[in-house]
Amino acid sequence: NAGVTQTPKFQVLKTGQSMTLQCAQDMNHNSMYWYRQDPGMGLRLIYYSASEGTTDKGEVPNGYNVSRLNKREFSLRLESAAPSQTSVYFCASSEIGGLFFGPGTRLTVL
Amino acid sequence: AQSVTQPDIHITVSEGASLELRCNYSYGATPYLFWYVQSPGQGLQLLLKYFSGDTLVQGIKGFEAEFKRSQSSFNLRKPSVHWSDAAEYFCAVGVTNFNKFYFGSGTKLNVKP
Repeated sequence: NAGVTQTPKFQVLKTGQSMTLQCAQDMNHNSMYWYRQDPGMGLRLIYYSASEGTTDKGEVPNGYNVSRLNKREFSLRLESAAPSQTSVYFCASSEIGGLFFGPGTRLTVL
Repeated sequence: AQSVTQPDIHITVSEGASLELRCNYSYGATPYLFWYVQSPGQGLQLLLKYFSGDTLVQGIKGFEAEFKRSQSSFNLRKPSVHWSDAAEYFCAVGVTNFNKFYFGSGTKLNVKP
């Protein structure tokens, strides 16, 4: 039982490049989330998916897209990376009881 | 709009001393409240949660928190801090049937030997 897994753990991009962050959970949770964490700002919700087939914007969706591929998987795509997207990205899933987080992806955009 | 405020950015306590981390929230309905801990370079781990009932909740690692509706607060406490408690602590509010969670900006705890 791995919980929430994320790939990759680290990534360096050049401005304008694209990439997809992968997330999977094996807890059979309906809801999944993408957060970004920046120093002094806590965690900010980018997108979430309340169930398979649905996605909704969070607080900071600009520059990102998501896909809820199936109940297990929820990916985050940066179409044209910008330095402002340098951050640590956390995927999470939840049922009643709170969020369960993955280990994070540290992304640097040069 | 929902918001969570953690007024203390950094706190330093001596090992063995008591600890209280403050959290205030703004939410119109009954909140679902959480405390998470993040060690350096790690993800977030759930310490404890409040949904309803007894306003004093116990969590892992000897932590407890008290919900005070009149003060819109959910402060985290520990009677005796250990060096391994040094980490960053986040308060969070869950809303709308748990489809959204809002986090405070975090409090970094430093423990002096």
